[in-house]
Amino acid sequence: NAGVMQNPRHLVRRRGQEARLRCSPMKGHSHVYWYRQLPEEGLKFMVYLQKENIIDESGMPKERFSAEFPKEGPSILRIQQVVRGDSAAYFCASSPAWSQNTEAFFGQGTRLTVV
Amino acid sequence: SQQGEEDPQALSIQEGENATMNCSYKTSINNLQWYRQNSGRGLVHLILIRSNEREKHSGRLRVTLDTSKKSSSLLITASRAADTASYFCATDDGGTSYGKLTFGQGTILTVHP
Repeated sequence: NAGVMQNPRHLVRRRGQEARLRCSPMKGHSHVYWYRQLPEEGLKFMVYLQKENIIDESGMPKERFSAEFPKEGPSILRIQQVVRGDSAAYFCASSPAWSQNTEAFFGQGTRLTVV
Repeated sequence: SQQGEEDPQALSIQEGENATMNCSYKTSINNLQWYRQNSGRGLVHLILIRSNEREKHSGRLRVTLDTSKKSSSLLITASRAADTASYFCATDDGGTSYGKLTFGQGTILTVHP
C-alpha cells in the first residue's frame, strides 16, 4: 500500500507563472488536507477536501489559490500568478473517515521555489 | 501564544541522553499527535494520544497528556544520532468532526554522537 504520493517533489516557477501541485492519497482514504510550511516554521492548515467537495478552506489565501479533489485522479493545489512569498513546502495528508483515533498520513511534500 | 507551541525551540544533547520536549495548546481537543521531520523531508507520524489518555508508550518514546494544563510532553529515551530532527506536536479541533490539525513551531533536536 503506497503512502501519500505528492509530485513534483521540487518545483521552480518564475513570478507570475502558475504552480500545480498534485497529491494522491493513500488507498482507501477519502479525506485530503493541504498544509503549507514556510522556512523554519510549523505547518499551517490550508484546505480540507473530500471527493468533489471542499469542506474547509479557512486557511487558503483569498486570491490566487484553489484546490480540488475530483472524483477520479489526484487532488490538485493550484497557485496562479505565483509571487516570491509563495515559496514554501506544501504538504498533503490523507486519512480515512475521521474518528478520535484517526491519524493523518503525510506525503513527502512539494518544495516550491519562486524565482 | 498559538495552539500547539513546543518548548524548547532547540535542544542539543549527547547520544544516550534523554530528550524531553513540551507542547502547550489552548482549545479543547480530541487527540494530540507528535510528528518528526528530518531536514527537508516529510512528516513521520510518531504517536497519537487521545484526550482521555494520560500516558502512552511506543518503543523509546513516551508521551504524556495533561488536559487540565493543556500540555503534552514527548520523551525520547537513550537518544541516538538518528533521532536528530524537528519534532512537532499537532492538535485537532475538538469542536469539529474531521482531522484538521494545528501544528506548533517545532523543537529542533540535535543528538551528538
